[in-house]
Amino acid sequence: DTGVSQDPRHKITKRGQNVTFRCDPISEHNRLYWYRQTLGQGPEFLTYFQNEAQLEKSRLLSDRFSAERPKGSFSTLEIQRTEQGDSAMYLCASSPGGTGGLQETQYFGPGTRLLVL
Amino acid sequence: GQNIDQPTEMTATEGAIVQINCTYQTSGFNGLFWYQQHAGEAPTFLSYNVLDGLEEKGRFSSFLSRSKGYSYLLLKELQMKDSASYLCAVRGYNTDKLIFGTGTRLQVFP
Repeated sequence: DTGVSQDPRHKITKRGQNVTFRCDPISEHNRLYWYRQTLGQGPEFLTYFQNEAQLEKSRLLSDRFSAERPKGSFSTLEIQRTEQGDSAMYLCASSPGGTGGLQETQYFGPGTRLLVL
Repeated sequence: GQNIDQPTEMTATEGAIVQINCTYQTSGFNGLFWYQQHAGEAPTFLSYNVLDGLEEKGRFSSFLSRSKGYSYLLLKELQMKDSASYLCAVRGYNTDKLIFGTGTRLQVFP
């Protein structure tokens, strides 16, 4: 399967613990995105990268959230001192990064479902 | 501000046609996307519109009117497997992020 992959698929943690999620984009996709989705809502943008550069970060993202893409391939999203409100599905997507049509289309991974107790 | 509106729920009968509407107010416009999302799964890409008009792809078509801030997704010959949420998303100028609506949950009945 050459789609976007995410690990782990599920994570249960206690409030106050740190968690880290990994995303592997489609091969040769330059752009990588992180979104968060809660039940009954559409995905909410968190941040995105072009290669290793983090180009945009949502103002909704607190200082407890950090994302990296050190070699321009896979990315990690870390949440420090988790809170119950962080419980959500964390989605990663990638796109080729060109202009026009399918070059700009974002393809989503299966997501990591986080539950903070 | 940025606002995307879609109906929360719709129902339809197998074999019928359904139209899911989406209206948007965003700071700039550079493309509108429709995604399908089955419960517990990731969104999958359906269609992309950046110019006014209709884009057809098999049983699915999407229409855009930029002057009206309006799009619709048309699903023909509905099948049970089309029961899912349909997400409308808009991209603004000078950004790659997508702003999503809350999604329309479609239930197809036999």
